[in-house]
Amino acid sequence: AQSVSQHNHHVILSEAASLELGCNYSYGGTVNLFWYVQYPGQHLQLLLKYFSGDPLVKGIKGFEAEFIKSKFSFNLRKPSVQWSDTAEYFCAVKKWSGGNQFYFGTGTSLTVIP
Amino acid sequence: DTEVTQTPKHLVMGMTNKKSLKCEQHMGHRAMYWYKQKAKKPPELMFVYSYEKLSINESVPSRFSPECPNSSLLNLHLHALQPEDSALYLCASSQDGGAGDGYTFGSGTRLTVV
Repeated sequence: AQSVSQHNHHVILSEAASLELGCNYSYGGTVNLFWYVQYPGQHLQLLLKYFSGDPLVKGIKGFEAEFIKSKFSFNLRKPSVQWSDTAEYFCAVKKWSGGNQFYFGTGTSLTVIP
Repeated sequence: DTEVTQTPKHLVMGMTNKKSLKCEQHMGHRAMYWYKQKAKKPPELMFVYSYEKLSINESVPSRFSPECPNSSLLNLHLHALQPEDSALYLCASSQDGGAGDGYTFGSGTRLTVV
């Protein structure tokens, strides 16, 4: 079955630690890739997106993600996390064909300890 | 205006009540979406409207009835809901539902069915 996988369900880090959250998808063909963040009690906000071109994408708040086509991956990274990064992170994939809906991953809950 | 506005923010309703959730955007977006999100879970697509026409219904029970009166408004009419329907209901919009679109999400309506 086609899917979006986020293998890290819950990540706990100390402030200033480096972060990498995994995202793998299994759709064939051309896709657009997104990372969304949901802070406690708030709505989903777009962190960054990949459509084409440079596979290393920089987003807001110091986040970046790398699209590796051969691995069907779009991992999210941040070199030094802050307490305010505590949130739920969702990877999403949008296919170029067969409808216009997002497919969300199951999410990764990040807790940053001061 | 770069927001998607949802009202009400919180709603408590009995199983015999009829209520409506409202969503509004003034970004000129022509695709609008309803998602349902349970705690710590990814959003699940319910309905997609494209150019004010229902284009996707993800086999949602008929107790949920969407309506798109115009290109800026999207409603979700609720009737005879069950306690398991309690969730955060998210509205989103995108430019025209095309492959390159990102979504803008509203803050959601937190629904509790008693």
